[in-house]
Amino acid sequence: DTGVSQDPRHKITKRGQNVTFRCDPISEHNRLYWYRQTLGQGPEFLTYFQNEAQLEKSRLLSDRFSAERPKGSFSTLEIQRTEQGDSAMYLCASSFGEKLFFGSGTQLSVL
Amino acid sequence: AQTVTQSQPEMSVQEAETVTLSCTYDTSESDYYLFWYKQPPSRQMILVIRQEAYKQQNATENRFSVNFQKAAKSFSLKISDSQLGDAAMYFCAPTGGTSYGKLTFGQGTILTVHP
Repeated sequence: DTGVSQDPRHKITKRGQNVTFRCDPISEHNRLYWYRQTLGQGPEFLTYFQNEAQLEKSRLLSDRFSAERPKGSFSTLEIQRTEQGDSAMYLCASSFGEKLFFGSGTQLSVL
Repeated sequence: AQTVTQSQPEMSVQEAETVTLSCTYDTSESDYYLFWYKQPPSRQMILVIRQEAYKQQNATENRFSVNFQKAAKSFSLKISDSQLGDAAMYFCAPTGGTSYGKLTFGQGTILTVHP
């Protein structure tokens, strides 16, 4: 069990640029989740996958956000035309049941 | 939908003492789980303890235990024999039904442990 891995750990980008984050879940976990956390707040649910199917998306996930999980393995979260309000920690988690295991997150700063 | 209230933005405790963090929630689910997660300065979310709502017995995990009052929708966390490594932000989060894993986190409680 190598844990949930996220890459990169930090990303600094200019407003209007596109960014992509990657998450590698624990290998036997069939569910994968994305959360967003701003400073001083609890994480907020964005979306989740069961295997390769994206089963639910939050209203927080605007049209500029897209997530994929090809072949039910790793997942990517892309943000197009970034805005300063997108600055946050993006957390990935995986599970096989009700316990979620989180990665260390990707901290996004939009200048 | 779930809502979560953690009414203590900050708490402090002396090393080796006991502290209790409070949490109240509301949910429309009939079957659900409740979790406490800790987030140290590294910002990695770490599962502390889990409670199944259908179980009356309170969950215990080493120095961590909960007081689960289902009717009152209260789910407090007790940390005994506090250690410096317990210092972190603590989040209460319910989940349930077909939305296992779709956690609703509270605002968090910052716990400081004094040596």
